[in-house]
Amino acid sequence: GAVVSQHPSRVICKSGTSVKIECRSLDFQATTMFWYRQFPKQSLMLMATSNEGSKATYEQGVEKDKFLINHASLTLSTLTVTSAHPEDSSFYICSASEGSLTDTQYFGPGTRLTVL
Amino acid sequence: QKEVEQNSGPLSVPEGAIASLNCTYSDRGSQSFFWYRQYSGKSPELIMFIYSNGDKEDGRFTAQLNKASQYVSLLIRDSQPSDSATYLCAVGGYSSASKIIFGSGTRLSIRP
Repeated sequence: GAVVSQHPSRVICKSGTSVKIECRSLDFQATTMFWYRQFPKQSLMLMATSNEGSKATYEQGVEKDKFLINHASLTLSTLTVTSAHPEDSSFYICSASEGSLTDTQYFGPGTRLTVL
Repeated sequence: QKEVEQNSGPLSVPEGAIASLNCTYSDRGSQSFFWYRQYSGKSPELIMFIYSNGDKEDGRFTAQLNKASQYVSLLIRDSQPSDSATYLCAVGGYSSASKIIFGSGTRLSIRP
């Protein structure tokens, strides 16, 4: 149980385009989903926390107009990187929490974004 | 600023030995503690979580929590080459909506 999927697994795009990444909880309802970014040889950096049906909470330094997050249902959250630039190239990982009394987060497999 | 500290390593352990990974945290109010394993180029995978002081065992893995010392550790018995990875310690509050704070990870290398 507790499987989280992400799509696409890898995307290459031109500078200036927008990219949408989907995160789905396959066998549980995710009250809360989290979006992380990880640069090579660095630790996970939390970008934002999203709760179903409400606006995402962004971490300091993360531009909410550039990284649009939608948590439309209890099983789906999307991250859109708008007007992507080469410095946005990174490994984007989502995680989902079941909403019980625990904070256990289950991670998706990640999306590797390369902006040319 | 809530912090989770880990030795970055690399920690080199011979195959078959016990690997010991340590983590300290700054927020005394923390209630939930996690160990994740991350292979290079992959996303983190949950190994164990622990909420109460003491030991929790799951197969070859044992998590140890000491809230008074704000210390959590992970022991891996009978280490295998496939255990070579980065191990992330994470600490959270007491709500499913609260974010968890990750350490920077310890790189573990099991040498045959």
